[in-house]
Amino acid sequence: DVVLTQTPPTLSATIGQSVSISCRSSQSLLHSNGNTYLNWLLQRPGQPPQLLIYLVSRLESGVPNRFSGSGSGTDFTLKISGVEAEDLGVYYCVQSTHAPPTFGGGTKLELK
Amino acid sequence: EVQLVETGGGLVQPGKSLKLTCATSGFTFSTAWMHWVRQSPEKRLEWIARIKDKSNNYATDYVESVKGRFTISRDDSKSSVYLQMNSLKEEDTATYYCTTYRLDYWGQGVMVTVSS
Repeated sequence: DVVLTQTPPTLSATIGQSVSISCRSSQSLLHSNGNTYLNWLLQRPGQPPQLLIYLVSRLESGVPNRFSGSGSGTDFTLKISGVEAEDLGVYYCVQSTHAPPTFGGGTKLELK
Repeated sequence: EVQLVETGGGLVQPGKSLKLTCATSGFTFSTAWMHWVRQSPEKRLEWIARIKDKSNNYATDYVESVKGRFTISRDDSKSSVYLQMNSLKEEDTATYYCTTYRLDYWGQGVMVTVSS
């Protein structure tokens, strides 16, 4: 199975600070159809995960544009340009290029 | 408004069975592929099963750790997806979520605790 490694495991930030989370895959996530099925989720405390970004860089409807995704192949990054209080929680990357779908271990974003 | 509501969780002894239900509304369920995903007490997320729609013969797929023990199914007339869990093990203890194919909609989750 594909292993997704997220770094850092914990991220401390102040409001307004820009931060980045890395997700590295054990295999290329480029599908034979040309798509790269790498998504980012946010799980706020006590809530189910919420889709933020799909296909590496496409913003889900309703998600603020301070969130952005980038990367290709095996290396991917989620960037938050100006953290707000509502952004606190655990971020997960997830791939569905290869069966079975697998998740990263999570990055907890907390206030400094 | 899209809604997914999981029910059927609880405390069960190892080796016993449990059936989870995910009732949905607000989207065209009959053409939707659906997943079950679980989250361990340590907050690790694990995909466990997927079912396709009628046009894809309701094809199913499972993670290796639940193959032969869990069965995903659906009833399009009730807009519901199910997870039959047999021969439960302590390591199956988790919060179970149903979610749509793109992972864009999730239920609130239901807790399953396997313990003697």
